[in-house]
Amino acid sequence: SYELTQPPSVSVSPGQTAGITCSGDKLGQKYVSWYQQRPGQSPLLVIYEDAKRPSGIPERFSGSIAGNTATLTISGTQAIDEADYYCQAWDSSSWVFGGGTKLTVL
Amino acid sequence: QVQLVQSGAEVKKPGASVKVSCKAVGYSFTTYGISWVRQAPGQGLEWMGWISGYSGNTMYAQKSKGRLAMTTDTHSTTAYMELRSLTSDDTAVYYCARDGSQGGSSLGFKYWGQGTLVTVSS
Repeated sequence: SYELTQPPSVSVSPGQTAGITCSGDKLGQKYVSWYQQRPGQSPLLVIYEDAKRPSGIPERFSGSIAGNTATLTISGTQAIDEADYYCQAWDSSSWVFGGGTKLTVL
Repeated sequence: QVQLVQSGAEVKKPGASVKVSCKAVGYSFTTYGISWVRQAPGQGLEWMGWISGYSGNTMYAQKSKGRLAMTTDTHSTTAYMELRSLTSDDTAVYYCARDGSQGGSSLGFKYWGQGTLVTVSS
């Protein structure tokens, strides 16, 4: 079955840029979405179609994809960005989520 | 505005079944599908399956395929997820999310329900 691989954790200092990667076979041929999930809350879509931001998502969130790796970049990271982040892609009539990355802002 | 409102928490014994509802408001129910996603305590997101709001066609993840049934009621604009033969491994928060009309929408899941905690315990 298809797998998406994310680092378990990423740390960043306030105001700096955080990058969270998501890798998978032929990922560049699929659309990737990214979700933010704070404790006790439903996931929030922050990026879709690799690099598009839904309305209401701050401009500091951006997405990109190169080869088999998608990257979620958070510029000027703030304390409120501390959360779990998940990538998602569609493969063989199934949605697949990455294992999630815990972003720590310290 | 678009909302997905789920039913309340459930406590079930091993071997029992659970049926979670997801009422869609604020959009044309038959224009979209609904995906179900679960999250075990302290774990990541796991996609369970998708159902068309128009035709009732389904696609299920392999893991729970034999124990899972998704249905819809277009009159009440409600989607249902029933999971049978529960074990402690099914203890999780279950979410519904709006998906594309054919599943696999490139737009992702912009709208999610609030989640329903299902606890399986003897």
